[in-house]
Amino acid sequence: SQQGEEDPQALSIQEGENATMNCSYKTSINNLQWYRQNSGRGLVHLILIRSNEREKHSGRLRVTLDTSKKSSSLLITASRAADTASYFCATDGGHGSNYQLIWGAGTKLIIKP
Amino acid sequence: SQTIHQWPATLVQPVGSPLSLECTVEGTSNPNLYWYRQAAGRGLQLLFYSVGIGQISSEVPQNLSASRPQDRQFILSSKKLLLSDSGFYLCAWSVREGDEQYFGPGTRLTVT
Repeated sequence: SQQGEEDPQALSIQEGENATMNCSYKTSINNLQWYRQNSGRGLVHLILIRSNEREKHSGRLRVTLDTSKKSSSLLITASRAADTASYFCATDGGHGSNYQLIWGAGTKLIIKP
Repeated sequence: SQTIHQWPATLVQPVGSPLSLECTVEGTSNPNLYWYRQAAGRGLQLLFYSVGIGQISSEVPQNLSASRPQDRQFILSSKKLLLSDSGFYLCAWSVREGDEQYFGPGTRLTVT
């Protein structure tokens, strides 16, 4: 079953602008993760945020988590052409689950030069 | 450092033929291993996962099967492929369940 839902499904912005993607989920979680997938390639882990964290940074990436709203956002600042990819959020099922990751359908990000 | 290998990169098979995709991990011991399928423009569907040798959990009933004959080897198989088996197959590993996962390059399977 699909837990995470990314929004928007597709996003096209100019190089240098900031890109924001959102993820909503349905059940309680222990952590939420964001991944990037370049076309036709495997996924690359970007960042993991735990349920007791509200914000996390990694380079040009900023992830926020609002457990009361069951949502997360991924912000990429000063976007580059190389950021063109699909971005997925994944959540575990929290306590009582088998802790396998449940994936959203992804946001396709296009950075225009 | 850890690396994950997956082959072949692309595969075209006729309906009814068998399938064997292999995944191996280097540089870690007793990893959790996963097989996913991704339809075009979609998210990942977990097919199988394994927490140890010979331990396989299936998430989706289908004509696929998985085996883990060695600690760092994970094999996805089918006796008879269906058209609906076409897709992008990804192998991944993690240290623990729920942790970040590390993916192989994927296999593009087309069943004709």
